[in-house]
Amino acid sequence: DTAVSQTPKYLVTQMGNDKSIKCEQNLGHDTMYWYKQDSKKFLKIMFSYNNKELIINETVPNRFSPKSPDKAHLNLHINSLELGDSAVYFCASSKEGMNTEAFFGQGTRLTVV
Amino acid sequence: AQSVSQHNHHVILSEAASLELGCNYSYGGTVNLFWYVQYPGQHLQLLLKYFSGDPLVKGIKGFEAEFIKSKFSFNLRKPSVQWSDTAEYFCAVNVYGNNRLAFGKGNQVVVIP
Repeated sequence: DTAVSQTPKYLVTQMGNDKSIKCEQNLGHDTMYWYKQDSKKFLKIMFSYNNKELIINETVPNRFSPKSPDKAHLNLHINSLELGDSAVYFCASSKEGMNTEAFFGQGTRLTVV
Repeated sequence: AQSVSQHNHHVILSEAASLELGCNYSYGGTVNLFWYVQYPGQHLQLLLKYFSGDPLVKGIKGFEAEFIKSKFSFNLRKPSVQWSDTAEYFCAVNVYGNNRLAFGKGNQVVVIP
């Protein structure tokens, strides 16, 4: 069974469109994250949720809106997509607190044309 | 600024050579330390982690890392690499009370058969 699953794996869309990426974890973790990996492979945290509450919101355009309907799901909705949004987006989850590792999803490769 | 530093972004070496990747962090206080590996086209997988105790930790696939608190370092080593070790390697730090995993910029390692 996949621990952290994201859909879709690939997403190609035109500029200006709105799209969503879904993430689900079956590990019983309390904390979920979205990371963006750019073309240079640099990983940057975007959001962190703990028990459905937003904990971290990095300097991300407000076109990006995370939603956590329950602690097992953290979806990412992106409005008015731009070319610069092209990247691989990784969802991750972990237990709350220290001495815990993060588990990553397979990633969603978003290409905006 | 608080950060995680990885040097020598591109590393090319032959099979059977030894590998050492440096990681330095600038956070104070209690930290958890990780090395993740990302094989081409895949998601991040945990290689090894340090929470407490013996500063020399062993991970999967023959990798090990040493935590040197005085140097704020967590260097990764493998005595003899294989072609299958070609991947991107990321050092990551979780700081107590920070609710996030901060990543270094990664090391792209290419092992030539």
